[in-house]
Amino acid sequence: KAGVTQTPRYLIKTRGQQVTLSCSPISGHRSVSWYQQTPGQGLQFLFEYFSETQRNKGNFPGRFSGRQFSNSRSEMNVSTLELGDSALYLCASSSDYSNTGELFFGEGSRLTVL
Amino acid sequence: DQQVKQNSPSLSVQEGRISILNCDYTNSMFDYFLWYKKYPAEGPTFLISISSIKDKNEDGRFTVFLNKSAKHLSLHIVPSQPGDSAVYFCAASLTNQGGKLIFGQGTELSVKP
Repeated sequence: KAGVTQTPRYLIKTRGQQVTLSCSPISGHRSVSWYQQTPGQGLQFLFEYFSETQRNKGNFPGRFSGRQFSNSRSEMNVSTLELGDSALYLCASSSDYSNTGELFFGEGSRLTVL
Repeated sequence: DQQVKQNSPSLSVQEGRISILNCDYTNSMFDYFLWYKKYPAEGPTFLISISSIKDKNEDGRFTVFLNKSAKHLSLHIVPSQPGDSAVYFCAASLTNQGGKLIFGQGTELSVKP
């Protein structure tokens, strides 16, 4: 079974630009969550999509948005990039039947904002 | 407000000895607690979890202990191996919160040969 796939793995943008990151979940998983990891901050929850609907949202500004397609693939978008948006963005998928909260993570997309 | 805290950013242990990683939380409503391990340039991988109704869960060399009255959990690795060197994150989940986990800041474990 293929794992969670994220593209691109690395990207460099400049302030003010926007970026779109893509995530393909494990086959059969309908929940996709996004997390931001920065040094010293751990992983911070951005949002979760389930069956094309946003089910949960973290405390990030409106510049961060996402969507999910009918095949469960998800994208997140960050507009008007700021230097502080430089981070590792992780996507995770989970099974409908997990009651433990276990998530399966991709390898992440490392964004550098110059 | 940091609901899940790992107060030790790093830990160094000799190979073969016990590694103890600690985690504190503030929200007594958390249902499950999980530990993830992360190597550089890889995503976190699930290690072990424990339900809030249990006080211990064991899986091979890994044991997680939960002290609800102290709002504290710990991960014990016995014996520690050099391949265990990684960043360890504890996380907590709430019922009906789906894919939302609250993570601690992580503890970098270094196991010396």
